[in-house]
Amino acid sequence: DVKVTQSSRYLVKRTGEKVFLECVQDMDHENMFWYRQDPGLGLRLIYFSYDVKMKEKGDIPEGYSVSREKKERFSLILESASTNQTSMYLCASSSSGNPNEQFFGPGTRLTVL
Amino acid sequence: QKEVEQDPGPLSVPEGAIVSLNCTYSNSAFQYFMWYRQYSRKGPELLMYTYSSGNKEDGRFTAQVDKSSKYISLFIRDSQPSDSATYLCAMSAYNNNDMRFGAGTRLTVKP
Repeated sequence: DVKVTQSSRYLVKRTGEKVFLECVQDMDHENMFWYRQDPGLGLRLIYFSYDVKMKEKGDIPEGYSVSREKKERFSLILESASTNQTSMYLCASSSSGNPNEQFFGPGTRLTVL
Repeated sequence: QKEVEQDPGPLSVPEGAIVSLNCTYSNSAFQYFMWYRQYSRKGPELLMYTYSSGNKEDGRFTAQVDKSSKYISLFIRDSQPSDSATYLCAMSAYNNNDMRFGAGTRLTVKP
């Protein structure tokens, strides 16, 4: 059974803290994505990576950075968390042969106080 | 105007009903159309994937694309309580990493 796993289901952090969200996939996919999901706004792409150490900005990269040191792992970093980053964060992966077929993790509900 | 518009609902129907979920879009370059289903506290999972115009059927689910009207639909026949979920449409111009999602429609099927 193919899987995308995320390090935490729920996370509570304080304003100004550095936050790490980790994602691991076991499908040997080239592409990995980080989205945030907010009511009424759907999924918005933060960053994606199409190869190890490669990254591309999505629609809302401000306040975030990413790291991909290994093919199976993609990390999202909030350098200094703010309350407007309270959201559901979803990681996804897809193969280079069929990038539209994305497999999602269960999500991390992040609350910044 | 959002690139992809989707009525968030919520939509509540009795078991056995036919459900129609819809999205409209503004970018005429879109040619790949997807429907994802998201159960509560889970990530989305791909349900249907179509290219260009036309219909695609998979069991009780039918995806329909009308590019001339920039309108896509997902029909669920004989709806079941297990179909209760949020349904997100997604689309892209190319088979690449740039997908646009609708906001999702929350569906409840009551026994």
